[in-house]
Amino acid sequence: LAKTTQPISMDSYEGQEVNITCSHNNIATNDYITWYQQFPSQGPRFIIQGYKTKVTNEVASLFIPADRKSSTLSLPRVSLSDTAVYYCPIYSGAGSYQLTFGKGTKLSVIP
Amino acid sequence: NAGVTQTPKFQVLKTGQSMTLQCAQDMNHNSMYWYRQDPGMGLRLIYYSASEGTTDKGEVPNGYNVSRLNKREFSLRLESAAPSQTSVYFCASSKDRGAYEQYFGPGTRLTVT
Repeated sequence: LAKTTQPISMDSYEGQEVNITCSHNNIATNDYITWYQQFPSQGPRFIIQGYKTKVTNEVASLFIPADRKSSTLSLPRVSLSDTAVYYCPIYSGAGSYQLTFGKGTKLSVIP
Repeated sequence: NAGVTQTPKFQVLKTGQSMTLQCAQDMNHNSMYWYRQDPGMGLRLIYYSASEGTTDKGEVPNGYNVSRLNKREFSLRLESAAPSQTSVYFCASSKDRGAYEQYFGPGTRLTVT
């Protein structure tokens, strides 16, 4: 199962774009990259997923380079309500079909 | 739709006691999961059920048992609780085992003294 490494914490001011990186050096061919958001005392919530290149939805963009050994979650114009822990679990698409969570990045948005 | 619900929200046990954590989903999902989350850590998979009638071990299954009661319900049992099982437990579900999007419940905070 692919392991992930993220910065422990990040700070950002309201209105700025935030980029959170995730390293997953041993990602396998059948694995997908997903990102989840977790608020205190709540379960994680799915944000976005991708296999390669760029994916965009209504809340975020996901950038994945050709070698797929890392990914970057981009949050445009963050607000105080985006303060949360962000995880980049790898979804194993063959065999185990599991999500493997790392320790996440705690994003603090400052007024 | 309530999504994924878990009971109880909080529980305190003494070492050696047993209890069952309940989970139910109303999204007609085939797959369900149990995770634990320790302070400063990510989630670790305990057990999962790819479909009704099947269960499989995850990363940290020791000390736990599960039952997929029907398509909606998936319970987690601690037969003899230990302090090392103090954690927050999350139940999740997904459309099927091939779906990367999982829906999580609000969690159960368990303390074993």
